[in-house]
Amino acid sequence: AQRVTQPEKLLSVFKGAPVELKCNYSYSGSPELFWYVQYSRQRLQLLLRHISRESIKGFTADLNKGETSFHLKKPFAQEEDSAMYYCALSDHNNDMRFGAGTRLTVKP
Amino acid sequence: EADIYQTPRYLVIGTGKKITLECSQTMGHDKMYWYQQDPGMELHLIHYSYGVNSTEKGDLSSESTVSRIRTEHFPLTLESARPSHTSQYLCASSELRGGYTFGSGTRLTVV
Repeated sequence: AQRVTQPEKLLSVFKGAPVELKCNYSYSGSPELFWYVQYSRQRLQLLLRHISRESIKGFTADLNKGETSFHLKKPFAQEEDSAMYYCALSDHNNDMRFGAGTRLTVKP
Repeated sequence: EADIYQTPRYLVIGTGKKITLECSQTMGHDKMYWYQQDPGMELHLIHYSYGVNSTEKGDLSSESTVSRIRTEHFPLTLESARPSHTSQYLCASSELRGGYTFGSGTRLTVV
């Protein structure tokens, strides 16, 4: 069974500090992992996907198959990064399973 | 502009009423999904469709029903609304592979 775990419901950091949002998964096949973000009063939107290996808004995420993790990182958090972040895993049918989400607050 | 549209944005309705939440996408995506989400909480898949005349129930049991008569249209219907149906409903679509595009959601309140 596929499962996505985001162990932190809430995460608070100061502006300029590094931030890491944790995501662990379980899946028997070859997963495709995503991070989605939902800013206040905006729609849920795709932030990045592991196969793209890109940095979006300064965020990166590396798939670690040994640890079955896909943590989201940013070296210097900004206040505008405050949002709800969801890790997600898709199977061979592209059916997406979402984690419970982590609310990130970046304090000034 | 290619996008996914949900209407209404907000709906307050009395118990027992029949409601239909609309979702349309202009991206030509075959796959469409309905999620239920309490604000800032987990997303629960309630229905999905892989194409015209294809509909399946998701992980979360729901009294709602869906239809997919046209590729671009995936409406969700509640025959008799109850206060327990109060929630936010998100529609999404995708290509065969890749991330989902979400609509703005419908916030439903049943009084």
